[in-house]
Amino acid sequence: DVKVTQSSRYLVKRTGEKVFLECVQDMDHENMFWYRQDPGLGLRLIYFSYDVKMKEKGDIPEGYSVSREKKERFSLILESASTNQTSMYLCGASLGASSYGYTFGSGTRLTVV
Amino acid sequence: KQEVTQIPAALSVPEGENLVLNCSFTDSAIYNLQWFRQDPGKGLTSLLLIQSSQREQTSGRLNASLDKSSGRSTLYIAASQPGDSATYLCATSGTYKYIFGTGTRLKVLA
Repeated sequence: DVKVTQSSRYLVKRTGEKVFLECVQDMDHENMFWYRQDPGLGLRLIYFSYDVKMKEKGDIPEGYSVSREKKERFSLILESASTNQTSMYLCGASLGASSYGYTFGSGTRLTVV
Repeated sequence: KQEVTQIPAALSVPEGENLVLNCSFTDSAIYNLQWFRQDPGKGLTSLLLIQSSQREQTSGRLNASLDKSSGRSTLYIAASQPGDSATYLCATSGTYKYIFGTGTRLKVLA
């Protein structure tokens, strides 16, 4: 089974800090994704990547950027963290077209104070 | 634009009951539909994946069906247990990205 590992379960950061959320998958999956999950709003796609150095904006990319220098690692960057970015962040991976299904990591709960 | 709806938002049942969770979607041109389980504060665990050409998938006490023409999927849980208490999400796909429902929060009472 594909394993997706998010480096931190819980993070607390200060407003204005630059924040890196790291995600690593242990199989050769082309696609990787970042979602955020908020009560009442469900999961919303921030960015996805379908190959190394390739990225596309999702539904809510504002305030975020991403980096994919190697196939197994997909990083989400908050350039200047704000309190409205307090959320659960979920990273996922899928093989090829999404017909093979998604595998998710265990999530990172980010609190910005 | 694909929209995914899950009803009810919350459900409470006594242990041992068989139950059905519903998922509906507006665009039938899907690659697949996937059911996930999420425990509080945790990530998503895949339960079942149904390809667009399939009608159902089974794993243990879980059975998921898919009816693309009516835009519906159901997750059937047999003989529910307190350990089944969690939020259940369905998601369905276009080419690259999934659209998620907002989930059904299930509580199974001992």
